[in-house]
Amino acid sequence: RKEVEQDPGPFNVPEGATVAFNCTYSNSASQSFFWYRQDCRKEPKLLMSVYSSGNEDGRFTAQLNRASQYISLLIRDSKLSDSATYLCVVNKGSSNTGKLIFGQGTTLQVKP
Amino acid sequence: GAGVSQSPRYKVAKRGQDVALRCDPISGHVSLFWYQQALGQGPEFLTYFQNEAQLDKSGLPSDRFFAERPEGSVSTLKIQRTQQEDSAVYLCASLRREGPNTEAFFGQGTRLTVV
Repeated sequence: RKEVEQDPGPFNVPEGATVAFNCTYSNSASQSFFWYRQDCRKEPKLLMSVYSSGNEDGRFTAQLNRASQYISLLIRDSKLSDSATYLCVVNKGSSNTGKLIFGQGTTLQVKP
Repeated sequence: GAGVSQSPRYKVAKRGQDVALRCDPISGHVSLFWYQQALGQGPEFLTYFQNEAQLDKSGLPSDRFFAERPEGSVSTLKIQRTQQEDSAVYLCASLRREGPNTEAFFGQGTRLTVV
C-alpha cells in the first residue's frame, strides 16, 4: 500500500463547478500536510498548506482529519486555469528534518 | 538565479551508460531532495540531504543510484549502467523550513531517456 493515496481521476468538470479531492495517508506520525499543483510538463508548486483547523485561500479550502488520516481539497467556482494535477503531500517525520512524500496526483480538467 | 536549477534539462543515454544529474538549490536552503517522476505518476522519493549529510536514501531503487552533496550546496545524482526503466523525470527540490511551515521549491527537472 502506498504511503499517500489519491484517486488519480481524471475529474472532468464544467467551469463554475465545485470539485473535491481526497487523500489518505498511512503514517499516523506524519506532522504536516500540503497540496501541490503540477501543470503539464512543469514542476510541482505549493498550492497551500493544510492545518488541523482547516484553512481557506480564496476559492480553495483544505481540511485535515487526523483520526481518519484523511486530507481534502475543495475548489469552488472552477476556472479553466485550475486544470492541472493536484498532489497531496505528507511530511513524514519532524517539521525540521522530515521527508516529503507525494501522492500519485489527481488530474482535474475544467471544461468551458 | 533565485530558483532551483537543474542540468541538463534533457538527457538521452544509451543503455549501460553512466549519467550525472546536477542540482543547484536555492542559496541557504539546508534540505535538498531528489525525486523520480514517471509519466502519470507523482514524484517518488529517492533521497534527501540536510546540508552535506544524506539523511535518508531509502528510495534509491538500486545500488546503481548514488547521490552526493559534498559541500552542502550543489548535489549530483549519478546513475550507473542505465537501464530503460530508469527513464523518467528527475526532480530536485530545496526546502525552506520555518517552524511548521515547509515549502519545497522544485527545479524544472531532468528528463532522462534511456535507449
